[in-house]
Amino acid sequence: AQSVTQPDIHITVSEGASLELRCNYSYGATPYLFWYVQSPGQGLQLLLKYFSGDTLVQGIKGFEAEFKRSQSSFNLRKPSVHWSDAAEYFCAVAEDAGNMLTFGGGTRLMVKP
Amino acid sequence: ETGVTQTPRHLVMGMTNKKSLKCEQHLGHNAMYWYKQSAKKPLELMFVYNFKEQTENNSVPSRFSPECPNSSHLFLHLHTLQPEDSALYLCASSQVLGGASYNEQFFGPGTRLTVL
Repeated sequence: AQSVTQPDIHITVSEGASLELRCNYSYGATPYLFWYVQSPGQGLQLLLKYFSGDTLVQGIKGFEAEFKRSQSSFNLRKPSVHWSDAAEYFCAVAEDAGNMLTFGGGTRLMVKP
Repeated sequence: ETGVTQTPRHLVMGMTNKKSLKCEQHLGHNAMYWYKQSAKKPLELMFVYNFKEQTENNSVPSRFSPECPNSSHLFLHLHTLQPEDSALYLCASSQVLGGASYNEQFFGPGTRLTVL
């Protein structure tokens, strides 16, 4: 069965600093990979997705993620964090030809002024 | 209304009550989902409906009963819940395509449920 691990439960960065959130997955074939963000009191919003092709994908709000098959990772990055980025971030994986998402435990991001 | 809406946004109920959560998607999608998000566990898929047919029940207790009358509406009927069922219940929808295709899921804001 597929699984997703987000090793960091909490991360605090200063506004303007760079950010990297880690995600590792376990899945035999090429996965469909996603990053979602959840602000307090809100549902999940899709930041970006990887299906195939270029392993560096661009998303909304200035986020990007890189798929590294050799490391089974799909880390999320942003060069300069804004206070409004404070939220919880979820990595997810889906099987081929299915609509079943498996989520990681989430990383809560706090931004210091 | 746009996207995926859920009502009510907050619900407090006793263990002997019966209540229902409602989800509506305005995206023309053909699949809908219920997820449970609690403080101590990752987001858990509960039920999947494709073309109004339930295709997945992820070992959910029978005190949770889903209903999908059409492709735009999804309900979660609740009865004799336990305090550990207190959580954020999220609804999502997506467009399921044929073959090896996948489209992302769009989520509603959730219903915060508290069971006393």
